[in-house]
Amino acid sequence: AQTVTQSQPEMSVQEAETVTLSCTYDTSESDYYLFWYKQPPSRQMILVIRQEAYKQQNATENRFSVNFQKAAKSFSLKISDSQLGDAAMYFCAYRSLIADKLIFGTGTRLQVFP
Amino acid sequence: DTGVSQDPRHKITKRGQNVTFRCDPISEHNRLYWYRQTLGQGPEFLTYFQNEAQLEKSRLLSDRFSAERPKGSFSTLEIQRTEQGDSAMYLCASSLAGTGGYGYTFGSGTRLTVV
Repeated sequence: AQTVTQSQPEMSVQEAETVTLSCTYDTSESDYYLFWYKQPPSRQMILVIRQEAYKQQNATENRFSVNFQKAAKSFSLKISDSQLGDAAMYFCAYRSLIADKLIFGTGTRLQVFP
Repeated sequence: DTGVSQDPRHKITKRGQNVTFRCDPISEHNRLYWYRQTLGQGPEFLTYFQNEAQLEKSRLLSDRFSAERPKGSFSTLEIQRTEQGDSAMYLCASSLAGTGGYGYTFGSGTRLTVV
């Protein structure tokens, strides 16, 4: 069975600085999808970025980028130029190509200080 | 489209009572998912539908839980004889079949408190 591990329960960053959130996963599959979701106090999970495992190029969405290391089964999220609105819970998630469901990590709470 | 809607946002119930939650997905999405999120944890998959067919159920979904999507549009999740361990946030999400790799649209959840 696949598992997702987020080893940083909490992280903090100052506004305009850069922060990296860690995620590791375990799978025996060769193709899959990885996601980072943001959950603000409003509770709605918002997709931040996605990565297809067969693509070696790291995904980028504006200030958000990932460092995808397939062999190491690592999928970290880098947030550049952090903003106060980035404060939220961040969840790493895995999706198999076969099974249509997300497997989430336990989350990292990100605080952003002015 | 207003996204995925869930009702109610909060529900407090006494142990042993039955509760029902509703989810209205994005209208063009034919897949609908239910997840449960307990405090300090990530969401856990419960079940999902394609149109009105329930395609997969997690072992987390005990006999006291039943989910339906009768006309392939909205879905309901019922919990019978609630227990304190059922206290959690219940999240609904939707997607278009074949595009799940692009992510899912989530609702804001129903927070259930069993007292």
